[in-house]
Amino acid sequence: KAGVTQTPRYLIKTRGQQVTLSCSPISGHRSVSWYQQTPGQGLQFLFEYFSETQRNKGNFPGRFSGRQFSNSRSEMNVSTLELGDSALYLCASRFLRDQRTDTQYFGPGTRLTVL
Amino acid sequence: QKEVEQDPGPLSVPEGAIVSLNCTYSNSAFQYFMWYRQYSRKGPELLMYTYSSGNKEDGRFTAQVDKSSKYISLFIRDSQPSDSATYLCALQTSGSARQLTFGSGTQLTVLP
Repeated sequence: KAGVTQTPRYLIKTRGQQVTLSCSPISGHRSVSWYQQTPGQGLQFLFEYFSETQRNKGNFPGRFSGRQFSNSRSEMNVSTLELGDSALYLCASRFLRDQRTDTQYFGPGTRLTVL
Repeated sequence: QKEVEQDPGPLSVPEGAIVSLNCTYSNSAFQYFMWYRQYSRKGPELLMYTYSSGNKEDGRFTAQVDKSSKYISLFIRDSQPSDSATYLCALQTSGSARQLTFGSGTQLTVLP
């Protein structure tokens, strides 16, 4: 079974621009979560989508948004980029059926650099 | 105070050593405990998953959970250079808001 895929893998943008990242979950997984990873703050939860609805949100400003499509693929958008948005953005998927077994599986991440 | 505290490292050990990685937490609502391994420039990879106090073994890896002390550990026996990575503990509550809360990660280097 193919793992979680993320595109693009690397991205360079300038301040003020916006960016859209894409995530395809493991086949059959209906939940997609997004995380930001930086050396200073570590891995921080952004939001989770399930059946095209945001079911949970972390403590990030409104510039960070996302959506999920009917095929469970998800996109994350960051508007008005700031230097501090430079990070590895990770997507994780899970089936979300049994809380004792529905662990999250991560993709390789998109490394965003804001200049 | 962070909800999850992890020994920051970095940790450097010789090949064959036993490695102990630890996290403490403050929120009693955490019911599920995971360890992820992350190689440089890769996404985290799930190593161990437990939901009760006690030990769980998988090959050279043993995860230990002590809910009364709010303390979790990962032991690596006979460590190999290929174990060199960052190890992250991740904790999860039960209920509808089941997001993962990660420790800051411990960078491990196993020297040949």
